[in-house]
Amino acid sequence: GAVVSQHPSWVICKSGTSVKIECRSLDFQATTMFWYRQFPKQSLMLMATSNEGSKATYEQGVEKDKFLINHASLTLSTLTVTSAHPEDSSFYICSASWDRATEAFFGQGTRLTVV
Amino acid sequence: GESVGLHLPTLSVQEGDNSIINCAYSNSASDYFIWYKQESGKGPQFIIDIRSNMDKRQGQRVTVLLNKTVKHLSLQIAATQPGDSAVYFCAENMRDTGRRALTFGSGTRLQVQP
Repeated sequence: GAVVSQHPSWVICKSGTSVKIECRSLDFQATTMFWYRQFPKQSLMLMATSNEGSKATYEQGVEKDKFLINHASLTLSTLTVTSAHPEDSSFYICSASWDRATEAFFGQGTRLTVV
Repeated sequence: GESVGLHLPTLSVQEGDNSIINCAYSNSASDYFIWYKQESGKGPQFIIDIRSNMDKRQGQRVTVLLNKTVKHLSLQIAATQPGDSAVYFCAENMRDTGRRALTFGSGTRLQVQP
């Protein structure tokens, strides 16, 4: 199957700083990437959908100015958590797909801890 | 006790037994369903999928059943092994309408006792 890689796997940052998470499709061109957030013992919640070269579409309740998404190329999307606070601590997961794909492929996730 | 939303239903089975994990979905317009396995600290791993024009699909050791009348999905795992221990999520989307983002169910933890 297609491979999606996230970096970093985990990150600890101080409250008030910004953190960037990368999502790369390694062996295919991802026209669409999805960002999810998962709190402990809970399910994945979609944050936003990004299409290469256009602005991301955010789900209701997700602050677009806080969670900046850039999908500037067909193999890379980034999620920047700006002015992070402890309540932003979570597991962030991306998935990537192309137009005729029957499924989306998930990265391994990034554990963010804000202290 | 635990707060709502912080407790995953748990299914505990003996190694070698068959497991059945259930999922109720909410959107009658969904036309594509996937089961994922998630191990601790990792991203979801695709197990099997099914389209809404089918009611059963089989893979290696796994079977997915879809009942659109009651909006119910199940995953059957034959001869469950310790390596099957994980959290299992069903997911749905409306692929034919272009919305390919997935909506995930709440998840079930499968514990396989050796």
